[in-house]
Amino acid sequence: EAGVVQSPRYKIIEKKQPVAFWCNPISGHNTLYWYRQNLGQGPELLIRYENEEAVDDSQLPKDRFSAERLKGVDSTLKIQPAELGDSAVYLCASKIGLAGGSTGELFFGEGSRLTVL
Amino acid sequence: DAKTTQPNSMESNEEEPVHLPCNHSTISGTDYIHWYRQLPSQGPEYVIHGLTSNVNNRMASLAIAEDRKSSTLILHRATLRDAAVYYCILRRSGNTPLVFGKGTRLSVIA
Repeated sequence: EAGVVQSPRYKIIEKKQPVAFWCNPISGHNTLYWYRQNLGQGPELLIRYENEEAVDDSQLPKDRFSAERLKGVDSTLKIQPAELGDSAVYLCASKIGLAGGSTGELFFGEGSRLTVL
Repeated sequence: DAKTTQPNSMESNEEEPVHLPCNHSTISGTDYIHWYRQLPSQGPEYVIHGLTSNVNNRMASLAIAEDRKSSTLILHRATLRDAAVYYCILRRSGNTPLVFGKGTRLSVIA
């Protein structure tokens, strides 16, 4: 079974440019997370989706960041315009809903490394 | 969220057991103890979790203190592939997001 798929793996842009990251979660996983990981730090939650609904976006910088999960499957995270401080790894994770008897284990993708020049 | 405290780094020789400590003195009765690890250039991966009793799986063992204020992740025979950052996380239920700290960077020496 395929894991969580993210693209692009690496992206280099100049500041003020837009950038988008895509995530395809594991089939059947209705909870999806976006995390940001700065160098030397643990991942920080940006947004959580239950199906197509964003149920926790309190940590998402809404002035420049947006996310969508229109059909409750794959998701896109966008930054417009990017700033130097946005350089980080953006991680997507998914998990099956609790109704499936899950322990709540999160499955992470490999991440998208963004460098803003 | 209750906080965990882990050493910044640890070192182990290959094929020896590794004990990774985690302190969580403010843990509540409904907090589960989760461990994830992150290999270089990878996303985190689940290792093990428990509530009160010690737990074993194919990757590791989790020893939980009787008062639950600390726990230890045990890798029985470290290999070079176990070199990673190990995160100890308290989680109230399966539906709450993981809140990561800085974790412990484990180096394994051949």
